[in-house]
Amino acid sequence: QKEVEQNSGPLSVPEGAIASLNCTYSDRVSQSFFWYRQYSGKSPELIMSIYSNGDKEDGRFTAQLNKASQYVSLLIRDSQPSDSATYLCATFTGGGNKLTFGTGTQLKVEL
Amino acid sequence: NAGVTQTPKFQVLKTGQSMTLQCAQDMNHNSMYWYRQDPGMGLRLIYYSASEGTTDKGEVPNGYNVSRLNKREFSLRLESAAPSQTSVYFCASSEATKTGGQYFGPGTRLTVT
Repeated sequence: QKEVEQNSGPLSVPEGAIASLNCTYSDRVSQSFFWYRQYSGKSPELIMSIYSNGDKEDGRFTAQLNKASQYVSLLIRDSQPSDSATYLCATFTGGGNKLTFGTGTQLKVEL
Repeated sequence: NAGVTQTPKFQVLKTGQSMTLQCAQDMNHNSMYWYRQDPGMGLRLIYYSASEGTTDKGEVPNGYNVSRLNKREFSLRLESAAPSQTSVYFCASSEATKTGGQYFGPGTRLTVT
């Protein structure tokens, strides 16, 4: 089982819709979770972090964490074509210093 | 602030050649990291430096060496490049390990022929 799993997609949503990106993790002691956005040919950009159960909102982005289910998600409201990118989920694993990344979900926002 | 900078942006090497990838950050971060990103494999940690003066192996350290020159700079060296090291290399930094997100440089696209 991979430590951090994401559906590779592509996930296609129409402009203005809500995009829901999901991530599961295997390490029960993981405490910190991050979402990165990566445009094609560019470096990952940190967009959200979440540390406790529940929702965290930042503009059009909402991160949701459920530690009991080992599940973290990212909702993007009012999706725009500029949101088209690959979204990477990451968490510290093994109680150590290593930030483990999922392989990412490609999001396509269509006009 | 420039954030995290990397040089060079692109590099082509022949098998057996050596080179050093440079990374610098101006955010006064304590921790720095080197990753490689390959299609279908995601980001994999090569080496990291939790603080100035320390370095540790990550997931895929074989064939690489690192130097934490000072708090700002962290270099990655390929002593004898192999085609399997063809990849995109990213440097990242964070305030500390285990907490907080990491901030990435623009990357170096390396091809080994």
